Amino acid sequence: EAEVAQSPRYKITEKSQAVAFWCDPISGHATLYWYRQILGQGPELLVQFQDESVVDDSQLPKDRFSAERLKGVDSTLKIQPAELGDSAMYLCASSKGGAGELFFGEGSRLTVL
Amino acid sequence: AQSVTQLDSQVPVFEEAPVELRCNYSSSVSVYLFWYVQYPNQGLQLLLKYLSGSTLVESINGFEAEFNKSQTSFHLRKPSVHISDTAEYFCAVSPSRGNTGKLIFGQGTTLQVKP
Repeated sequence: EAEVAQSPRYKITEKSQAVAFWCDPISGHATLYWYRQILGQGPELLVQFQDESVVDDSQLPKDRFSAERLKGVDSTLKIQPAELGDSAMYLCASSKGGAGELFFGEGSRLTVL
Repeated sequence: AQSVTQLDSQVPVFEEAPVELRCNYSSSVSVYLFWYVQYPNQGLQLLLKYLSGSTLVESINGFEAEFNKSQTSFHLRKPSVHISDTAEYFCAVSPSRGNTGKLIFGQGTTLQVKP
C-alpha cells in the first residue's frame, strides 16, 4: 500500500539552528500539505501545495519558515532559526485534490532545546 | 473561517460499552465534515466523512456520525467499543466550496477503552 514518507522521524536541535524536513507524497497526488501539531492540540495547516504552486500559506510564519515543492512531487519544510516554541510534530499529507481523503505520513517530531 | 471544538479531551470507557465523541463546528459557509483517527505511533487516517446526501455516515469498523446542521454538530458514536479502538480521534471541517481540501482540525479526543 502506498504511503506518505517523511524524514527524519525525530530531530533534536538547539535554538537558532536551522532544521529541514522532507516529505514524499503518494505517487500521483497533486495536493501536498504540511501541518504542525503541538502536543495536546489538533493539527494546524502551515502550507498547502497544488502541484508546485502554493495554494494557502496564511498560517506559515514566513519570517522563519519556508516550504518548497520544486518539481511538484516531494517537498521540503525549513525552519531557520528554530525557536523553543517550534517544538512539535510536523505532519505531511497528500491527496488527489478537492474534498478527497488526506493521507498522512507518520510525522517528524522536532524538539528544540 | 471555520473552527472546530471537540468537547471532551479524554473519554474512558469499558470494552463493549457504547461511546459518543462530541464535535461542534462554527462556519459562515457550508462545510464538509470529517473524522480522522490516529492509532499509537501511526499517522492520521480517515475514519468517515460527510459531503452531501444522508446525514448519517458510517465507517467500515462500526463507527457512525450524524451531521446536524441546526446544532452545528457531527458527533461520532459506536454502540460497542473494542480495545483496538483506543486511539486519538480528530474532528475536522473544510469549506464545501473553494479550497475544499483545507481541513481545520479540532483539538482531538483520546478514547481509552478499558478491559
